[in-house]
Amino acid sequence: DGGITQSPKYLFRKEGQNVTLSCEQNLNHDAMYWYRQDPGQGLRLIYYSQIVNDFQKGDIAEGYSVSREKKESFPLTVTSAQKNPTAFYLCASSRRDAYEQYFGPGTRLTVT
Amino acid sequence: EDQVTQSPEALRLQEGESSSLNCSYTVSGLRGLFWYRQDPGKGPEFLFTLYSAGEEKEKERLKATLTKKESFLHITAPKPEDSATYLCAVRSYSGGGADGLTFGKGTHLIIQP
Repeated sequence: DGGITQSPKYLFRKEGQNVTLSCEQNLNHDAMYWYRQDPGQGLRLIYYSQIVNDFQKGDIAEGYSVSREKKESFPLTVTSAQKNPTAFYLCASSRRDAYEQYFGPGTRLTVT
Repeated sequence: EDQVTQSPEALRLQEGESSSLNCSYTVSGLRGLFWYRQDPGKGPEFLFTLYSAGEEKEKERLKATLTKKESFLHITAPKPEDSATYLCAVRSYSGGGADGLTFGKGTHLIIQP
């Protein structure tokens, strides 16, 4: 079955620590995205990548970093510079010739 | 800047009671409007894409329509399993340089048996 996997489902970290969230897709999609979801707010775009070895900042990129070394993988690092890291993080992908994005199951990050 | 506003924020219906969810949008040029369903603690599930005013899409008890300023998600004779948060999103030609979707805050729908 084709799809998007995110791991882990739940992640707990102490303040000041960097943490990396995994996102893998086997849909052969060119584009991948990271969003953040907070209670009472819409999804907000963190980073996106249209092609391997290239990525662009979204609306809220401060305190985050990404890499795109393989077409299938787009990991997100939440750094200690992110002031409010506790959130639900969603990875998505899309074909280059289509606009609809397909989402993974999400990772809930809690930082204390 | 693209803006998406969904109403109502929450809606409680009896099983079989049809209704509509609203998504109002402001964009400089619409490339697509999208509806997603999200269950608690899960990622959004893609439902529909609409590209131009007058377009309609249907799937089971759901029907999405599009005008130049808003979209409606009509739910006909809903069942309890239709309970979820429904998200609306747009993609525009401007997008402020970012190539993702702009989402509304969603409508939380509860269908009571």
